[in-house]
Formats: sequence, structure tokens, C-alpha cells
Amino acid sequence: ETGVTQTPRHLVMGMTNKKSLKCEQHLGHNAMYWYKQSAKKPLELMFVYSLEERVENNSVPSRFSPECPNSSHLFLHLHTLQPEDSALYLCASSQSFEADYGYTFGSGTRLTVV
Amino acid sequence: SQQGEEDPQALSIQEGENATMNCSYKTSINNLQWYRQNSGRGLVHLILIRSNEREKHSGRLRVTLDTSKKSSSLLITASRAADTASYFCATVTSGSRLTFGEGTQLTVNP
Repeated sequence: ETGVTQTPRHLVMGMTNKKSLKCEQHLGHNAMYWYKQSAKKPLELMFVYSLEERVENNSVPSRFSPECPNSSHLFLHLHTLQPEDSALYLCASSQSFEADYGYTFGSGTRLTVV
Repeated sequence: SQQGEEDPQALSIQEGENATMNCSYKTSINNLQWYRQNSGRGLVHLILIRSNEREKHSGRLRVTLDTSKKSSSLLITASRAADTASYFCATVTSGSRLTFGEGTQLTVNP
């Protein structure tokens, strides 16, 4: 365990479903991130939260909706996804917004859209 | 835009040998980090080297940074089968977040 916990580990959903991914950290970190990892592509940064406030949204489609209710929890709400959204979704946290100390990643949620 | 590019894309060695992976990047950086990812799992932070540092060590890992050539290398000495994984470099530029390369797949054969 790295200190960042993601649930569920695996998720299969239809294109009309609504589901949520959950991320939890108890490291006292102030910044949290969602990344998408697709086969044969570099990790793509999706969203950045610093002290519960969204500070970055990298042109992510609106079918992905993040939520950060407090500094320990981060959600990614999914609705009407497409098959090309199938990927490993990784949550990460860091002490500060400036990534001076490295990121701690969760184990990821393997999402399959059918 | 992609910042770090790893080389080679894949590397296969025997246990006990050293493994060297390289990373090149395009713009000035604040720091450069190396991560390991076991198949289908999350990334594990290995080492961070700042732009004013030239070399760092951590156990069997040695990282070098050459800012004039915009490149870094990761050396794993006396490799073990458990070192089999994908290795990523990631750069941090001023006002930016971690940007990852595509990674090097290392296979250590017992």
C-alpha cells in the first residue's frame, strides 16, 4: 500500500451507465490528481486539485466530472462514456502543488467501457 | 505536450547485469523524477533530481542529469528479476505539473 487507495480496482460499465471512481489519501498531502493511462500512450493529466480547489482541467470531456469534497478524498464521476475511454485511471497526491517531492500514486482503476 | 522521451523503449538483460535507461526532454526543468510501474499497477516514485544537481544515488539506483544536453539517465546496478517493470521519467517545469514520457519496459531474466 502506498498510502493512496483507489476503488474499485476493476470496473466494467456500459456506455449509458453512471459510475464513480474513488481515491483516498491519508498522507496529509495538499494536492491530488487524476491521470489516464491508455495503451502505448504517455500518462495524461486530467485534473489537478490543490486544497480541495480545482486548479487545472486539461481539456477533459464533460463526461468526466471530478469532485474533491475534502483534502483526503477525490472522486471521478463517469457518465455516457465511450469505448475509447477504456484505460487505467490513476489517482496521485503530493505534498505541494509544485511537485517538489514527487507524487504518490494509487494502484489504479482498470476501466472497461462496453 | 510530451516532455520526456525514454530510450530504449524496451530492454532485456540477465540477472546481475546493469540496466541503463535514458530520458531526453525539450524545455528547461525544475526537477526530473523517475518512476517504476509493475504491470497494471500504480507508479512508484524512485528518485527526484533537481535542476542544480548532477547525480543522485539511492540504493542500487544512480541518476544523472545533464541540463546542457537536456537528458537524464537511470542506472540500476546488479539487477534482479523483481526489477522487471516499466520505468518512466517525468519532468516538472515552472508552473507546470509532472509530464511523463512513454516509458522503458525492462525485463530482467533469471
